[in-house]
Amino acid sequence: EAGVTQFPSHSVIEKGQTVTLRCDPISGHDNLYWYRRVMGKEIKFLLHFVKESKQDESGMPNNRFLAERTGGTYSTLKVQPAELEDSGVYFCASSLSAYRLAGYQETQYFGPGTRLLVL
Amino acid sequence: AQSVTQPDIHITVSEGASLELRCNYSYGATPYLFWYVQSPGQGLQLLLKYFSGDTLVQGIKGFEAEFKRSQSSFNLRKPSVHWSDAAEYFCAVSPSGAGSYQLTFGKGTKLSVIP
Repeated sequence: EAGVTQFPSHSVIEKGQTVTLRCDPISGHDNLYWYRRVMGKEIKFLLHFVKESKQDESGMPNNRFLAERTGGTYSTLKVQPAELEDSGVYFCASSLSAYRLAGYQETQYFGPGTRLLVL
Repeated sequence: AQSVTQPDIHITVSEGASLELRCNYSYGATPYLFWYVQSPGQGLQLLLKYFSGDTLVQGIKGFEAEFKRSQSSFNLRKPSVHWSDAAEYFCAVSPSGAGSYQLTFGKGTKLSVIP
């Protein structure tokens, strides 16, 4: 079974440009998450999709970031315009069930990440 | 707000030596607990997880972790380190209640292994 895949693996852009990151979750996984690690900091949550709907976007840093998950399959994260502080590694993760009742045990599976450098 | 502390930023051990990586969390109730590893050039791989039950959890690659409620800790151990264990290790927690999803990570511990 294929794992979570992310594209591109690396991206180098100039400040003010636009970059779009893509994540393909494990087939059949309803939940899709975006996380980010900026240099020297911990990995931080950005947002969570349940199928095609945004369940929680409390971690999105500002309105320069736009995430979509059309059709409930792959997701894109667009940064427009990119700033220097957006540099870091962007991780995507997926998990199986959309229905988390008390006691449900969820495991998130991560992709390899996209390394973004804004110059 | 929940938080995770990994007090050791970088640890160096000799191959064959034992290893313990520390993790403490701050959370109102017992969360779900995870250890992930990131090898150079790779993504995050799940090593082990604790949801409930036996507080000593076995994972992949010979790792284990022990949940100690009284100390709010979930330390990762391995009795004999191999050179291939050189990587960065992340402790993470998530709420265990209904409707909560996001993982909160520690800052990571980078492990170097001396031949």
